Amino acid sequence: DAGVIQSPRHEVTEMGQEVTLRCKPISGHNSLFWYRQTMMRGLELLIYFNNNVPIDDSGMPEDRFSAKMPNASFSTLKIQPSEPRDSAVYFCASSQTSGRVMETQYFGPGTRLLVL
Amino acid sequence: QKEVEQNSGPLSVPEGAIASLNCTYSDRGSQSFFWYRQYSGKSPELIMSIYSNGDKEDGRFTAQLNKASQYVSLLIRDSQPSDSATYLCAVNRRQAGTALIFGKGTTLSVSS
Repeated sequence: DAGVIQSPRHEVTEMGQEVTLRCKPISGHNSLFWYRQTMMRGLELLIYFNNNVPIDDSGMPEDRFSAKMPNASFSTLKIQPSEPRDSAVYFCASSQTSGRVMETQYFGPGTRLLVL
Repeated sequence: QKEVEQNSGPLSVPEGAIASLNCTYSDRGSQSFFWYRQYSGKSPELIMSIYSNGDKEDGRFTAQLNKASQYVSLLIRDSQPSDSATYLCAVNRRQAGTALIFGKGTTLSVSS
């Protein structure tokens, strides 16, 4: 199994530019999660999808952030316009949720975003 | 009150000692509890999960859960330098289905 795949692994951009992060979950997993990690705030859940439907987006910081999951094998997290305070490591994770207790989440390698 | 709290550390132990990592959570309805390990510059990886009160052992790792006290801990026996990492406690957020809330993590340093 290839694991969760994220791209790009590193992104450096200038304030005001649009940033798109991509994620391919593990095949067969039906839940997908986007997290952001910073030293100050730790690992924060931004949004999660179950069966391609957004279930909880309460962690999305503001309207500049949007996420989509058009199919079971692909998701994007977009920041438009980007700001320096968005600099962080963005992780995507996936799991197989069967309706009972929480299944293990498997994390991708992360995207390190630096907004200048 | 933060949903999941951990001491940030660093927790320093000598090689071969027992490392004890602690976590408290605020949502009494939480049912699933996890410990993730994160090496510097890497992604979190699951090392233990626990769902019932009591102890769960896996090799050198023991997870302990006390729902009445809203407390979960991780013991690492015979600590090795390779155990040096940040350990993240995660708890499911009942109101949001299966989402996890993570603590900020405890940094463990094992000296040889």
